Amino acid sequence: QVQLQESGPGLVKPSETLSLTCIVSGASVSSGNYFWTWIRQPPGKGLEWIGRVSYSGTTDNSPSLKSRVTISIDTSNNQFSLRLNSVTAADTAVYYCARDLFSGQSYGYFDPWGQGTLVTVS
Amino acid sequence: SYELTQPPSVSVSPGQTARITCSGGALPKKYVYWYQQKSGQAPVLVIYEDTKRPPGIPERFSGASSGTMATLTLSGAQVEDEADYYCYSTDSSGNHGFGGGTKLTVL
Repeated sequence: QVQLQESGPGLVKPSETLSLTCIVSGASVSSGNYFWTWIRQPPGKGLEWIGRVSYSGTTDNSPSLKSRVTISIDTSNNQFSLRLNSVTAADTAVYYCARDLFSGQSYGYFDPWGQGTLVTVS
Repeated sequence: SYELTQPPSVSVSPGQTARITCSGGALPKKYVYWYQQKSGQAPVLVIYEDTKRPPGIPERFSGASSGTMATLTLSGAQVEDEADYYCYSTDSSGNHGFGGGTKLTVL
């Protein structure tokens, strides 16, 4: 059974860098069929796609966050990470990691998801 | 990011059919994925590639797409289906987006 678990600080100061790691078990982040993805959800609001990384380290990030986001993969420890710099209160959200599987015709098959971790910028 | 539009809320009585729409300019050429999110939980995929159901998703969930609009249909909605539903897709430029979400009330 594939499981993802986010870890990192729950509180970050404005202008500092948010850093989260997603630990993957039951599957290898080195698999070529997947992208490893970060998605966030501000309290009471909708989902926002942040970006993704492939097994080879190729990344693809949201244009609205691109200059502030770094997503990386660590195949040795079977995990991937998110760094978001120069954070403001608008970055307060539940951050989810998820596996994005090629479903035969397209990517977008996010499964499974981590439980999510709330990061507050204050 | 890619903008997808959903109605904020849909309400049905138990046993009725609920339809949630998602509109986007690139949908004629791109697939839609639908996610269900219950309160306090991570989202769960209920429909992928417009019309397909993942393992374990009840048959009452179905999807369709025509032109710039995709539709998630719950045939015979149950109280346990009460949740927020999000569509997801991409555009031809490679931008990714979720719809704003639709709160389904079953009562």
